[in-house]
Amino acid sequence: DTGVSQNPRHKITKRGQNVTFRCDPISEHNRLYWYRQTLGQGPEFLTYFQNEAQLEKSRLLSDRFSAERPKGSFSTLEIQRTEQGDSAMYLCASSLSSGETQYFGPGTRLLVL
Amino acid sequence: QKEVEQDPGPLSVPEGAIVSLNCTYSNSAFQYFMWYRQYSRKGPELLMYTYSSGNKEDGRFTAQVDKSSKYISLFIRDSQPSDSATYLCAMRSSGLGSARQLTFGSGTQLTVLP
Repeated sequence: DTGVSQNPRHKITKRGQNVTFRCDPISEHNRLYWYRQTLGQGPEFLTYFQNEAQLEKSRLLSDRFSAERPKGSFSTLEIQRTEQGDSAMYLCASSLSSGETQYFGPGTRLLVL
Repeated sequence: QKEVEQDPGPLSVPEGAIVSLNCTYSNSAFQYFMWYRQYSRKGPELLMYTYSSGNKEDGRFTAQVDKSSKYISLFIRDSQPSDSATYLCAMRSSGLGSARQLTFGSGTQLTVLP
């Protein structure tokens, strides 16, 4: 499968714990995006990488959130001191720098108890 | 007020019906318009992509963009039960930086009854 992959697919954690999600984009795509989707809503932009550089961060991305893309390939999204309001689907997408189409992965569903 | 408004439905139609899904938007800088299909507990799947105004057809799907009215539509002909999903409109402006992010509607939940 050459699409965007995300791991884990599901994560249940207790409030206050840290969690980390991984995204592997389509191999030749140098742009990578993170979105968050809550029930009944469309995805909301969190942050965006061009290769290893994080070029844009949404105001939704509080200081408890950090994202990295160390070698310009896979990316990780970490949430520290999770809160119940962090419960959502976290989606990763990738695209070519010359293209306008973003392809989404299956998402990581987070539940904070 | 949200930048992109989409009727959440739910919308229920019989198999074979023509389905019309719509979004309105307020940001005149939006230039690229997309429709994604999302099955329950899955990631969004790109269906249609259009640039600026006009129509685009792909099989049973037709996307329309009317920039003067800030209104986009997706038509599904000969709808099938397998089309049952949530349909998300998405759009972005041209240029660099924050223009790269997609702004989504809240999605319309469609059920096609056999």
